[in-house]
Amino acid sequence: AQKITQTQPGMFVQEKEAVTLDCTYDTSDPSYGLFWYKQPSSGEMIFLIYQGSYDQQNATEGRYSLNFQKARKSANLVISASQLGDSAMYFCAMREPPFMDTGRRALTFGSGTRLQVQP
Amino acid sequence: GAVVSQHPSRVICKSGTSVKIECRSLDFQATTMFWYRQFPKKSLMLMATSNEGSKATYEQGVEKDKFLINHASLTLSTLTVTSAHPEDSSFYICSAAEHDQETQYFGPGTRLLVL
Repeated sequence: AQKITQTQPGMFVQEKEAVTLDCTYDTSDPSYGLFWYKQPSSGEMIFLIYQGSYDQQNATEGRYSLNFQKARKSANLVISASQLGDSAMYFCAMREPPFMDTGRRALTFGSGTRLQVQP
Repeated sequence: GAVVSQHPSRVICKSGTSVKIECRSLDFQATTMFWYRQFPKKSLMLMATSNEGSKATYEQGVEKDKFLINHASLTLSTLTVTSAHPEDSSFYICSAAEHDQETQYFGPGTRLLVL
């Protein structure tokens, strides 16, 4: 069963506008972590933001914020004031179960959303 | 954030040869590193978990004899693609995280082209 779902293969946004990239996840474990990474055409994976399942507040990092709705199992990425340099692939990922108890676990990635920022 | 390097960034080799890819954590120690593979326009798929001082854990469908992983130190893991074939051509990328930290940082990746 797919654990991370990104339903938007591609998105367009005008420069300086905000955009929301959708991500839903599936897990039965109460402890998990959610990540967003940016992958430009060069291929590197750039860490953007992290949300722990027990975090009370939505994570924010500069222009990035994560709209975490636990009951809906969604972790949408919001990019405010889009810039041309934001054009890239964006991946949502999940880490499960508790890494402290069972050792470090790899990430499971969604299929990605290609964001294109238009001038 | 933490820095992970990967070498080489790009390699072209002939079919039947072996290629070694290095993944290094530059400013932290990593007891565990992960190797992923990414086909064009696809997502990252976990190949194996590299554990320092012990055998790697491979995902289902990944041939351990073809993709040899060695994690000999706390800052270095290597992936060797043995007897490479054109279908092994892909983007290989590693990740690691600092001890007790959640965030995994990725190396810049290695593009492998097997002719």
